[in-house]
Amino acid sequence: SAVISQKPSRDICQRGTSLTIQCQVDSQVTMMFWYRQQPGQSLTLIATANQGSEATYESGFVIDKFPISRPNLTFSTLTVSNMSPEDSSIYLCSATSGGALETQYFGPGTRLLVL
Amino acid sequence: AQKVTQAQTEISVVEKEDVTLDCVYETRDTTYYLFWYKQPPSGELVFLIRRNSFDEQNEISGRYSWNFQKSTSSFNFTITASQVVDSAVYFCALRPVFRNFGNEKLTFGTGTRLTIIP
Repeated sequence: SAVISQKPSRDICQRGTSLTIQCQVDSQVTMMFWYRQQPGQSLTLIATANQGSEATYESGFVIDKFPISRPNLTFSTLTVSNMSPEDSSIYLCSATSGGALETQYFGPGTRLLVL
Repeated sequence: AQKVTQAQTEISVVEKEDVTLDCVYETRDTTYYLFWYKQPPSGELVFLIRRNSFDEQNEISGRYSWNFQKSTSSFNFTITASQVVDSAVYFCALRPVFRNFGNEKLTFGTGTRLTIIP
């Protein structure tokens, strides 16, 4: 299994600022993902973080708003840029682990509140 | 296209009762994985089980059991003798077996909020 940690665990930010969330996995994984979970909702995939290349974004999410980096197999960052109250959510990092990339694990999440 | 339906938005049961959480899915893929995750109030998503589409054998893990019925596209989750610590939101999810890296995504249901009343 993969153990995933995220920093910060929570933050309160002002409108118009940016926050970078870090994700660290304890073992090399092939695929890493970023999800958003708005209050009381299910999880929505933001993007797949690709090592050494641009992330693959889902419909409705753009690089200018959610720049993602993945410099190596175990680390990724997600930046929430020019924040507004609508960005208040839990942001979760995820990674696949297993011989056939079978199981997808999640980090503890970052609770973001934008005022 | 993939879809996962958890029709039960909220369930409340008294402690020690059994409870079943329903999950129905749609997919055109012939091989896929089904998952259940638990999200306690702390917010972390805890992996509970992965089931391969070619393995319809039901599984039991302690008080947890899962009933996979490919004929009805269902993957239901039963908690026996529920406890207060079982209170959480439970998500069912579906993903094709990886073929081309980056093209397979995990599709989540909307979740079922389970409350165990002491």
